[in-house]
Amino acid sequence: AQTVTQSQPEMSVQEAETVTLSCTYDTSENNYYLFWYKQPPSRQMILVIRQEAYKQQNATENRFSVNFQKAAKSFSLKISDSQLGDTAMYFCAFMKAGSQGNLIFGKGTKLSVKP
Amino acid sequence: IAGITQAPTSQILAAGRRMTLRCTQDMRHNAMYWYRQDLGLGLRLIHYSNTAGTTGKGEVPDGYSVSRANTDDFPLTLASAVPSQTSVYFCASSVGTAPGSPLHFGNGTRLTVT
Repeated sequence: AQTVTQSQPEMSVQEAETVTLSCTYDTSENNYYLFWYKQPPSRQMILVIRQEAYKQQNATENRFSVNFQKAAKSFSLKISDSQLGDTAMYFCAFMKAGSQGNLIFGKGTKLSVKP
Repeated sequence: IAGITQAPTSQILAAGRRMTLRCTQDMRHNAMYWYRQDLGLGLRLIHYSNTAGTTGKGEVPDGYSVSRANTDDFPLTLASAVPSQTSVYFCASSVGTAPGSPLHFGNGTRLTVT
C-alpha cells in the first residue's frame, strides 16, 4: 500500500519570501504521478502542480516548483515570492499509474503567509 | 461555468437518519470519486466510479453507498448516519482516460451528525 507523509503540520513565511513544503511517500511502484493541491479557507481543492514519475525534470508552474527525488521518494513544493493569497492548506498526493485517479493524500501542511 | 456542483453546502443530521449527498459534473468526465476530509487525517477515498454503471470501494466505504446511473451524477448515500460520519465530503472527477489525469473537486458538503 502507498502512503504519503507530510512532516510539517504548520509553516509560516513572510510575504515575498520563499518557502518549501516537504512530502515523502512510500511505494513499490515504478510508474506513478504526484500532485500538490491547495485548499484555501474557501474549502475548494485546487490543483497546484503535477509531476510524472518517469520525468526527471522538475515540474514548474509560475511561482510554484517541485524538487522531485525519485530514489529518495521525496516530492517537495517550493513557493517563491510568497503572496498573502498563498495562505492555505497544502496537500501532497500520490496516484499509481493505471489507478484512474485514485489519489492517496498526505495529511496536509497549513501555510500562513504573513505581511 | 463547467465544474462540479455539490449539494447541500452543509447539513445537520440526526443520527439514524438517511441522507443523500448530491454531486453533478458537466465536464463529461468518466471517473468520479467521493472523499471525506477529517482534521488530522487528510482526505480519504470512500467510493469511486470509473465509468457510468460501475462503482468501487475506496479506503473507508463502510456506512456509505453510491450509484452511477449516468455520466454526470454520482450521489453518496448514508443509509443510517452515525456521529463518526461527521466530516466534510468532497466529490471529484477526472477525465479518467489519460494516465495521471488530475482530479477536479467540488466545493464540499459539511455534514454534522448529532
